[in-house]
Amino acid sequence: EAQVTQNPRYLITVTGKKLTVTCSQNMNHEYMSWYRQDPGLGLRQIYYSMNVEVTDKGDVPEGYKVSRKEKRNFPLILESPSPNQTSLYFCASSRGKETQYFGPGTRLLVL
Amino acid sequence: QQQVKQSPQSLIVQKGGIPIINCAYENTAFDYFPWYQQFPGKGPALLIAIRPDVSEKKEGRFTISFNKSAKQFSLHIMDSQPGDSATYFCAAGGNAGNMLTFGGGTRLMVKP
Repeated sequence: EAQVTQNPRYLITVTGKKLTVTCSQNMNHEYMSWYRQDPGLGLRQIYYSMNVEVTDKGDVPEGYKVSRKEKRNFPLILESPSPNQTSLYFCASSRGKETQYFGPGTRLLVL
Repeated sequence: QQQVKQSPQSLIVQKGGIPIINCAYENTAFDYFPWYQQFPGKGPALLIAIRPDVSEKKEGRFTISFNKSAKQFSLHIMDSQPGDSATYFCAAGGNAGNMLTFGGGTRLMVKP
């Protein structure tokens, strides 16, 4: 089954404790992205990657890091999480800019 | 600053009604305008998309109307059903990588 998987689905952490949210896709897509979803603000792109070892900032990259060492994986790293990073995070993949396939989401609470 | 403005934030219609969701954009470099549908606890999924060379696109009960001069586009849902209750996002994309800029979302409720 073609899908984008994210782990964990739910995470509660404390300020400053480094965390990683994993994302994996099995569709051999070149493009992968991370978004955060906040009420009234829609989906805002954090980072995106057009291929292995190629990443670029989206609209809200501050406080986040990504890496793309393999085509299928695109982890999101929060080196020092803060409460304003409490949000619902989505990973997405696509062959180009069209038809992005989203993962099920990761709900993060930073205390 | 949001480059894609979506309205209304929420919408309640009766079954069979025609909810209309509107979006406006600023960047004239946008050339791809998709709509995504999101059910609770799920990720968004592509519903329908349009390019600026056409003014309307229909897929089943869903229609996008596009007004290039006004930089606006809208989603109409014909004969709406309770199963259409979801959050809808418009988006706009240009030539920069796979950057999609999303609107703020509309929570639609269709009452039986």
